[in-house]
Amino acid sequence: QKEVEQDPGPLSVPEGAIVSLNCTYSNSAFQYFMWYRQYSRKGPELLMYTYSSGNKEDGRFTAQVDKSSKYISLFIRDSQPSDSATYLCAMSESYNQGGKLIFGQGTELSVKP
Amino acid sequence: GAVVSQHPSRVICKSGTSVKIECRSLDFQATTMFWYRQFPKQSLMLMATSNEGSKATYEQGVEKDKFLINHASLTLSTLTVTSAHPEDSSFYICSALDNLSYEQYFGPGTRLTVT
Repeated sequence: QKEVEQDPGPLSVPEGAIVSLNCTYSNSAFQYFMWYRQYSRKGPELLMYTYSSGNKEDGRFTAQVDKSSKYISLFIRDSQPSDSATYLCAMSESYNQGGKLIFGQGTELSVKP
Repeated sequence: GAVVSQHPSRVICKSGTSVKIECRSLDFQATTMFWYRQFPKQSLMLMATSNEGSKATYEQGVEKDKFLINHASLTLSTLTVTSAHPEDSSFYICSALDNLSYEQYFGPGTRLTVT
């Protein structure tokens, strides 16, 4: 079993839709949860990070962590064609980005105009 | 924002040759840099952690004699793929840990194709 599981998609939605991306994990020692966006042939770009269970909002993006269920989500409201990319979740046992990051497989998202 | 560059962005080499990939933090210092590889539609897999002035720490299953890492300064780490084979063809991505903010910034990646 992989430490982090993420549905690879692809996921196709119309512009303006709410997108829900999810990851599950098995390691209860993970403390730090991140979401990255990766455009084709580019390096990942950090979107959001959070430490604790609950929600964290940043503009159109909301990150949600449920440690009891070992489940994290990223919601994108009012999705735009420019949001089309691969979204990767990542986790660490450290309380910061200095430790080893374990990535999910990535979900490929396409937002159609 | 913090920028990490990689060079080259794309390289094609013949089987048996060696290839060097550079990773630079352009506007911050990074004692620690990380090297990942990513196969198509797959996750980023950490290969090794590079620390300035000391030996790199390799993940289980990664051959240290095949993937040579040198981190000679606070802004530069290099990965050399020695005696490359077609199965080494992949997307190699580095990241640098900012000494001040402790945030990890990723480079744009290097596409290696071994023929």
